[in-house]
Amino acid sequence: AQKITQTQPGMFVQEKEAVTLDCTYDTSDQSYGLFWYKQPSSGEMIFLIYQGSYDEQNATEGRYSLNFQKARKSANLVISASQLGDSAMYFCAMRESTGGFKTIFGAGTRLFVKA
Amino acid sequence: SQTIHQWPATLVQPVGSPLSLECTVEGTSNPNLYWYRQAAGRGLQLLFYSVGIGQISSEVPQNLSASRPQDRQFILSSKKLLLSDSGFYLCAWSSQASGNTDTQYFGPGTRLTVL
Repeated sequence: AQKITQTQPGMFVQEKEAVTLDCTYDTSDQSYGLFWYKQPSSGEMIFLIYQGSYDEQNATEGRYSLNFQKARKSANLVISASQLGDSAMYFCAMRESTGGFKTIFGAGTRLFVKA
Repeated sequence: SQTIHQWPATLVQPVGSPLSLECTVEGTSNPNLYWYRQAAGRGLQLLFYSVGIGQISSEVPQNLSASRPQDRQFILSSKKLLLSDSGFYLCAWSSQASGNTDTQYFGPGTRLTVL
């Protein structure tokens, strides 16, 4: 079974609007971490936001917030007030406490921001 | 602040030729180091990780190898490249002090084309 599932291969959003990128995960660990990365066309992976499995509050970093629903095993990324520079691939990732140093990445969602 | 460098940025190599990609990290000590490969339009595949000098763990059997001759240097090598080795290679580091958080920070990547 897929450990990280991103069901949206591509998404469009109008500039200045909010967009939600979906991510579901599968783990039997109680302790794990969830990450979102942005990959612009240059290729570099940019860390955006982290959520720990024991964190009760949803993580926020500027215009990025993580909608963490533990019971549903979802960790959706919300980008508010989209900008043209947000156009990129977005990857959800998970590190399990029993996984050693292995971080598992989803297949990614390509976001297009329209002017 | 910490920075991570990779070179070369792009590389075109014939099948059967050797390969050496280098990654160095500045501004931190004793980092965890990682090599990933990303095929076109796909997610990241972990190839190797290292928790210290001379300590290498391989995740995927292949004709690639990795070495860590110095604390902040990580090298990806091959004796004979295959067509299937083409892809985007990313090096990443994380802090050993980060525990389960283990946020990974990526270099700019090397785009390898094997002809």
